[in-house]
Formats: sequence, structure tokens, C-alpha cells
Amino acid sequence: DTAVSQTPKYLVTQMGNDKSIKCEQNLGHDTMYWYKQDSKKFLKIMFSYNNKELIINETVPNRFSPKSPDKAHLNLHINSLELGDSAVYFCASSPGQETTNEKLFFGSGTQLSVL
Amino acid sequence: KQEVTQIPAALSVPEGENLVLNCSFTDSAIYNLQWFRQDPGKGLTSLLLIQSSQREQTSGRLNASLDKSSGRSTLYIAASQPGDSATYLCAVRYQAGTALIFGKGTTLSVSS
Repeated sequence: DTAVSQTPKYLVTQMGNDKSIKCEQNLGHDTMYWYKQDSKKFLKIMFSYNNKELIINETVPNRFSPKSPDKAHLNLHINSLELGDSAVYFCASSPGQETTNEKLFFGSGTQLSVL
Repeated sequence: KQEVTQIPAALSVPEGENLVLNCSFTDSAIYNLQWFRQDPGKGLTSLLLIQSSQREQTSGRLNASLDKSSGRSTLYIAASQPGDSATYLCAVRYQAGTALIFGKGTTLSVSS
């Protein structure tokens, strides 16, 4: 079983559209993240949720709205897509904030291409 | 500004060679540091995590060291193999509950 799974793997869409990426983890972790990896392969945090509550929001445009229906899921909805949104989006999870074992486990990524 | 830097950006070695990848960070007051491996088109795999109180961690042919006073970590790979070819990323967590800050990675190519 895949520990952190995200769908879709590839997403090609037109500028101005709205799209969602889904993420699920079966590790029982409390904390989930969204990272963006740009064309230069630089990985940057976007959001972090702990037990369904937003704890990190790194100056991401409000066109990006994460939603966590439960602690095993963290979905990312993007409104009015722009060319600059093209990137690989990674979901990740870790046990939680209160443990020293904070290894991150990553999904395999969603390649978003905005045309 | 808290940053993580990895040098070199790319490295090519013949099979069997021992090698060292470098990571430096700007603030010595870190919480923990993690090394990842990323294969092309894939997600990241966690290799080693070093807590701020630790000096090193080992897993198989991999050994990661941490020197907070100098703001450096190294990932040592012994007896490299073609299967080690990947991008290796260093990431620092400066405080508990904050996000990991990643370096840009070192792309390693091991030739047979």
C-alpha cells in the first residue's frame, strides 16, 4: 500500500481554470503538507495542517485553498490558474509536531502544466 | 533569512568511489536536519534524520554528520553504485512545528 498517495499524477489545463489535487496518507500521521517544486527543482513549503488545522501558510496567493476533511486527507484547490502555477506539487506527511521523530514521507508528486 | 545551501550542484563519480555531499545552513540553532533522495519523476525518500543533539546517523552505506557550530552537515556514501544516482536534498527544520527548508540538491551520477 502506498503510504502517501496523491492524484492525479499529471494535470494539464488552460489558464483561468479551477483544479484540485487530492492527497491521502495511511500512516496515521497528524501533520500533512503541500510543497511546490519549481522548474529549477527548488522545493518550497506552501501549507501545513496538523490534525485538520492550518498551522503554516507561506504567503501563498489566496487562489490556493487547502482543505483537510480529516487528518488523513489534505486536498489542494487552485482557482484561476496562471502560467506561473506550472510546477510539481508534492504532498507529504509526518507523525506530528510533538514528536522528535519528524521524518517526512512524500507522495510521488503531481505535475501541473498550465497552458 | 534562514537558508540551506548544497554544494556541488552536480557530481559525477565512477562506481566504487566513496563520496561526500555537503549541506550548509545559516542559523546554527536548528531543531533537526534530514537528508532525502529524489529519483527523476518521483517523490522524495527520507534517508536519514539527525536531531540537533546528535552528531551523526548511519544507515547501511550512508552516514550523515551534523556540526551545528559550523552550520554544516555532510552525507557520506561509501562504495557508490549506479543505483545511487539521484538528486540528494538536505532539509533543515529550525523549530519544532515549522516546515522543513530545503536546499536545491546535489545531482549525483555514478557510472559503471
